Amino acid sequence: DTGVSQDPRHKITKRGQNVTFRCDPISEHNRLYWYRQTLGQGPEFLTYFQNEAQLEKSRLLSDRFSAERPKGSFSTLEIQRTEQGDSAMYLCASSSSNFRGLTVAQYFGPGTRLTVL
Amino acid sequence: QKEVEQNSGPLSVPEGAIASLNCTYSDRGSQSFFWYRQYSGKSPELIMFIYSNGDKEDGRFTAQLNKASQYVSLLIRDSQPSDSATYLCAAGRRGSTLGRLYFGRGTQLTVWP
Repeated sequence: DTGVSQDPRHKITKRGQNVTFRCDPISEHNRLYWYRQTLGQGPEFLTYFQNEAQLEKSRLLSDRFSAERPKGSFSTLEIQRTEQGDSAMYLCASSSSNFRGLTVAQYFGPGTRLTVL
Repeated sequence: QKEVEQNSGPLSVPEGAIASLNCTYSDRGSQSFFWYRQYSGKSPELIMFIYSNGDKEDGRFTAQLNKASQYVSLLIRDSQPSDSATYLCAAGRRGSTLGRLYFGRGTQLTVWP
């Protein structure tokens, strides 16, 4: 059973550059989530997909952020014109669909640590 | 007010003791509750989930839910040094299309030998 994978694991970039992260979910999961976590805080929700459809986006997801899941399998998260405040751990998680309307468990990948200089 | 509140700790217990971690939530629409363990520099790892009032046991871990008091707790029996980590409480709302989890800031637990 392969877990959630993310690439790259670490990314250092200069302010103003664009970065793209990839997430491969657990194969039988149709939902994929992106969260961001900074030091001393819990993960903050960014967006999620059910299959190809982006069903929910946080107001944290500014115009500089875009996420895609074109074929309902892997997903990419792009940050344009990075700022120092974007430095964080970007976490991807996956799950099956909600069960009888109850949010089900989400399983996290190892994360991508972004440092913006 | 944050959706999910946790005491940030740190909580320190001796090896073999019971560690008690607590969490409150503000939205009565929350129906699913999760406990994750996060080691320093690593990603969150699911420990337990609970949907119904009462206790749910899994090995050394017991999750407790009291919806009337909007309170969730995690008990770790026979604590081991390897349990030293940050424990994150998360809540999800009811609805077939709702997906996000609301996380607390986490409670840092140290188990000393």
